[in-house]
Amino acid sequence: AQTVTQSQPEMSVQEAETVTLSCTYDTSESDYYLFWYKQPPSRQMILVIRQEAYKQQNATENRFSVNFQKAAKSFSLKISDSQLGDAAMYFCAYRSISNTGNQFYFGTGTSLTVIP
Amino acid sequence: DAGVTQSPTHLIKTRGQHVTLRCSPISGHKSVSWYQQVLGQGPQFIFQYYEKEERGRGNFPDRFSARQFPNYSSELNVNALLLGDSALYLCASSLRQGLVHEQYFGPGTRLTVT
Repeated sequence: AQTVTQSQPEMSVQEAETVTLSCTYDTSESDYYLFWYKQPPSRQMILVIRQEAYKQQNATENRFSVNFQKAAKSFSLKISDSQLGDAAMYFCAYRSISNTGNQFYFGTGTSLTVIP
Repeated sequence: DAGVTQSPTHLIKTRGQHVTLRCSPISGHKSVSWYQQVLGQGPQFIFQYYEKEERGRGNFPDRFSARQFPNYSSELNVNALLLGDSALYLCASSLRQGLVHEQYFGPGTRLTVT
């Protein structure tokens, strides 16, 4: 089974600064999807950004961007110009492209604190 | 438009009891997935239903079951509750099977087993 590892249980960043959250995964598949989800205290999981493994270009969504290193099986999230509303748990997730279902494998999460 | 809704919000049960959790997907979405999120962990996949048929099952005991109704809403049932079943149960819906970028999560049901 695929495993997703987030080695940083907690991170903090000053407002307006940049922070990078780490994620590594283990798979024998060559094609798959990777995601970052945000879970604020309200508990609602919100999709932040998505990366298809076959695309070499790193995904970007406004202040959020990823550094996808396929050979190293690494998928980090960079948050630029951090805002107070970015404070939340962040989960890295993997989905096999060959799986016809919607099974996601999640990491254990990183709790991000934004300091005013 | 309403997002994914789940009921109840919170639930307290005693060991050995049975529980039913409910999920209504976004209008037009035909696929529903269930996840268990234990405190301090990431969500773990339990089931996926599409067009009222089970399309995926995670590594959970037979005490866990689910079904999807003609209106695409879904129920998750857990029998013979154990203390370890205490968790946040998340439901996610998508337009159809395989559309990964359209999986939307509900707010979850917090289940406490005492």
